[in-house]
Order: sequence, then structure tokens, then C-alpha cells
Amino acid sequence: EAEVAQSPRYKITEKSQAVAFWCDPISGHATLYWYRQILGQGPELLVQFQDESVVDDSQLPKDRFSAERLKGVDSTLKIQPAELGDSAMYLCASRLGGEAGANVLTFGAGSRLTVL
Amino acid sequence: QKEVEQDPGPLSVPEGAIVSLNCTYSNSAFQYFMWYRQYSRKGPELLMYTYSSGNKEDGRFTAQVDKSSKYISLFIRDSQPSDSATYLCAMSAIGNQFYFGTGTSLTVIP
Repeated sequence: EAEVAQSPRYKITEKSQAVAFWCDPISGHATLYWYRQILGQGPELLVQFQDESVVDDSQLPKDRFSAERLKGVDSTLKIQPAELGDSAMYLCASRLGGEAGANVLTFGAGSRLTVL
Repeated sequence: QKEVEQDPGPLSVPEGAIVSLNCTYSNSAFQYFMWYRQYSRKGPELLMYTYSSGNKEDGRFTAQVDKSSKYISLFIRDSQPSDSATYLCAMSAIGNQFYFGTGTSLTVIP
């Protein structure tokens, strides 16, 4: 079964350090999303890509967060410097897009970040 | 007002009970409605997907959408301990971003 791959699954870092997360969406999925999920809350969108282009990064804290999807396939989300409040689950999701019936998200297993 | 409202629970039921989970929304443009199940420390997995109004059944799970009331429900029949998880509702309009509820935590007691 096709799945969204994410790494690392767990990351512990100290504040002010740099952190990077990687995501490989389902093959052929043009739309890729990065979400942040704080414990007890629903996922919140950080950035959305359509192929290699950013569609929506309005909620991405651009002073410390960056995201790229250079070849329109896999993607990296970076945080520098990490802050205590960044501790959360970072979820990647992809969507086939296009016609009705393909408008559902498939999530990866997530990357859990703990900032000390 | 949030786009999607979901009672966070927690909800605790005995094994075999019927569980009802609900979400309300405010955006009448939403046409795609999803329920995700999320086990602790895992990513959400898609349970049910409905386009527009109506019911959809899959085994022990039934999803209902009432667009006139802007209300969606997920019913779980004969609940099992393995159903213990957080259930997230999500919805979107065509080509737009997705909006999530806060999730309802469910525990099924053996």
C-alpha cells in the first residue's frame, strides 16, 4: 500500500539548534502539505506545495521556519533556531488532487519534535 | 468562530457500545468530509470519506453528512478496545485547504 514516508520519527534537540524533517509523498501526488499538531489539538497547516511551488505559507513562521520541494517530489521542513514552543508533531500529507474523489489527504506517521 | 467545531471529549464507553462522534462547521462551501483515526504518537489515518451529503457505511463505521445543518457524524457500532484513539473530522471545499476539528479522544473499555 502506498504511503507517505517521513523521517526522523523522533527528534530531541536543544533550543537554538537547527532541525530538519524530510517527507516523501505518495508517488504521483502533486500536492504536499506540512502540518503542525500540538498535543490535544487538530493539525494546523504550515505550508502547502503544488508540485515545486508554494501555494500557501501564510501560517509558516518565516523568521525561523523554511520549507522546500525543489524537484516537486520530496520535501524538507527546517526550523532554525528551534524554540521550546516548537515541540509538537510535524505531519506531512499528500493529495492526488484534481477530480472529486481525489480530494483526500494521506498522512505520514509524523515526526515528533521535543525541544529542551 | 472556528471553521470546524468538535467536542474534544474525552469519551469513555464499554465494549460493544455504539459511539457517536460529531462535528459542526460554518463554511457552506465545504463539500468533502473526512474522518481520521489517530492512535497515540502516530499520524492520522483516513477512516471515512464522503462527498457532499448523505450516508456512507463501511463495516462497523457509518459517516453521515447533513449540509443543511452543517453537521457531520461518525457512528461506530459494536465498539472494540482497538477503536480507542482520537478521531479527527476534516473538511474542505474544492481545491482548497483542509480544516480540522480538534479531535475527540475515545476509550473503549473491555
